[in-house]
Amino acid sequence: DVKVTQSSRYLVKRTGEKVFLECVQDMDHENMFWYRQDPGLGLRLIYFSYDVKMKEKGDIPEGYSVSREKKERFSLILESASTNQTSMYLCASSLPGRGPNQPQHFGDGTRLSIL
Amino acid sequence: AQTVTQSQPEMSVQEAETVTLSCTYDTSESDYYLFWYKQPPSRQMILVIRQEAYKQQNATENRFSVNFQKAAKSFSLKISDSQLGDAAMYFCAYRSARWGEKLTFGTGTRLTIIP
Repeated sequence: DVKVTQSSRYLVKRTGEKVFLECVQDMDHENMFWYRQDPGLGLRLIYFSYDVKMKEKGDIPEGYSVSREKKERFSLILESASTNQTSMYLCASSLPGRGPNQPQHFGDGTRLSIL
Repeated sequence: AQTVTQSQPEMSVQEAETVTLSCTYDTSESDYYLFWYKQPPSRQMILVIRQEAYKQQNATENRFSVNFQKAAKSFSLKISDSQLGDAAMYFCAYRSARWGEKLTFGTGTRLTIIP
C-alpha cells in the first residue's frame, strides 16, 4: 500500500513565523501535491511537482512556496504565516500517466492554526 | 477552467438504505476522468470509485456505483446498503485526460448514517 506521511497532525504557530509542512511518500511517485481544505470550499491546489526540483503553481499559490530536493519529499513553506492561512493541509502523491489508474494517494492532513 | 459542483452540503440516510450523492461538472473537454473520494473522521482521503469519460458503462465497486450522464455532465454516487462506516465527507473530483495530473474538487457532501 502507498504510504503518504505528513510530519505533523496538528500544528500551532504565530503570525509572521516561517512554517514548514513536510510530506514523505514511500512509493517512488513522480507527482506530489499540496492542497488546502476549508469548510464549504473543498480542496484547493496550492502547488504540485512532477519531478525533483520541479514545481508548478496551483490555484492558490500566494503566500506559499515549496521545495522538492528529493523524490520522496515535498515541503510546503509559509514564508510569513498569517491568520488566513489557518486551515487543513493535505499532501498527495501519484504516478504519472494518462489513465485514471494512477489516482492520487493522500496523507492524513495537518491541521495548522496561526495565532 | 473546469468546475465541480456538489449541491448537497449534507445528507443523511438510514442504515441499510440507499443514498445518492449528486455531482455536476463543467468542462469543454471530451476526454477526462471523474472520481469520488471519501474522507472519514480519521481525515485520510480514500478513493471510492473512478470513471473514464469515454466509457459508457457506469463504474461499480461493491456497494458503490455511479450514474454517469456525459451529456448532462452529471456524476452521481449511489451507496447501497448503507453502513455506519460509510459516514464521511464525500468529494467529487475531475481530472483532464489532456492537461496533466491536476484534480479539481467539489465542495463536498457530509454523509450521516442513522442507526
